[in-house]
Amino acid sequence: DAGVIQSPRHEVTEMGQEVTLRCKPISGHNSLFWYRQTMMRGLELLIYFNNNVPIDDSGMPEDRFSAKMPNASFSTLKIQPSEPRDSAVYFCASSLGGTTEAFFGQGTRLTVV
Amino acid sequence: ELKVEQNPLFLSMQEGKNYTIYCNYSTTSDRLYWYRQDPGKSLESLFVLLSNGAVKQEGRLMASLDTKARLSTLHITAAVHDLSATYFCAVDSLGGNTPLVFGKGTRLSVIA
Repeated sequence: DAGVIQSPRHEVTEMGQEVTLRCKPISGHNSLFWYRQTMMRGLELLIYFNNNVPIDDSGMPEDRFSAKMPNASFSTLKIQPSEPRDSAVYFCASSLGGTTEAFFGQGTRLTVV
Repeated sequence: ELKVEQNPLFLSMQEGKNYTIYCNYSTTSDRLYWYRQDPGKSLESLFVLLSNGAVKQEGRLMASLDTKARLSTLHITAAVHDLSATYFCAVDSLGGNTPLVFGKGTRLSVIA
C-alpha cells in the first residue's frame, strides 16, 4: 500500500481565497483524522470520521473550515475564506481502529499570504 | 479532558550518551504510542504500547509503559546523530476508533 496520500504537498494562496486539501486513506482503514501542526500549538485534531461519518468536529477552529468524506477512500478539508493565521501543516491520518496506531500522510504545507 | 505532557521539550545530547524522555498523561489509558518526526517530514510510528508493563525496543530506543503511574518513557542508549528528530508520545483515551492526543514533542539534537 502507498500509505496515506495527501495533495497538494504545498499550497500558497492569497488571503480570502478558498483552499481545498485532499486525502486518500490507507485502503481498508475505517477511521480518518485531520490534524493541524504549528510551532505554537503543536498537533491539534481538527475533525475525525469513522466509517465516513464525522464524529467530532469540535477542533475545527471556525465556520470557515469544513470537511467531508464522501466515501471510504477520499476526504477533503476546505477553508473558505482563508486567512494568514491558517498557515500551518495539515496532516491526514488513518487507522483501522482497535489497537492499531494512526498512519500519517506527508502533510500539506499551507501558506496564506 | 485528556492531557499529555512530555519533558523535556528540548534535548541536546552528546553522541554516546544515554537519556530518557518522559511522557505523562492525565486520564486512564492503556494505549500509548511513540512517533518520530524529522524536520519537514511526516510522523512515523515507532512503538505501540498496549498494556501495563509493556516494553518495546528497536535499536537504540526502548519504550515502556506504566499505566498505574500514567507514565511512559523513551530511553535512548548511546545516542547517534541519526536519532536527531522530534519525538511525540500520543495517548488513545477511549480505545477503538478514537483520535490520539499528542504531547508537544521533544526535539532531540545529538551532537558530536
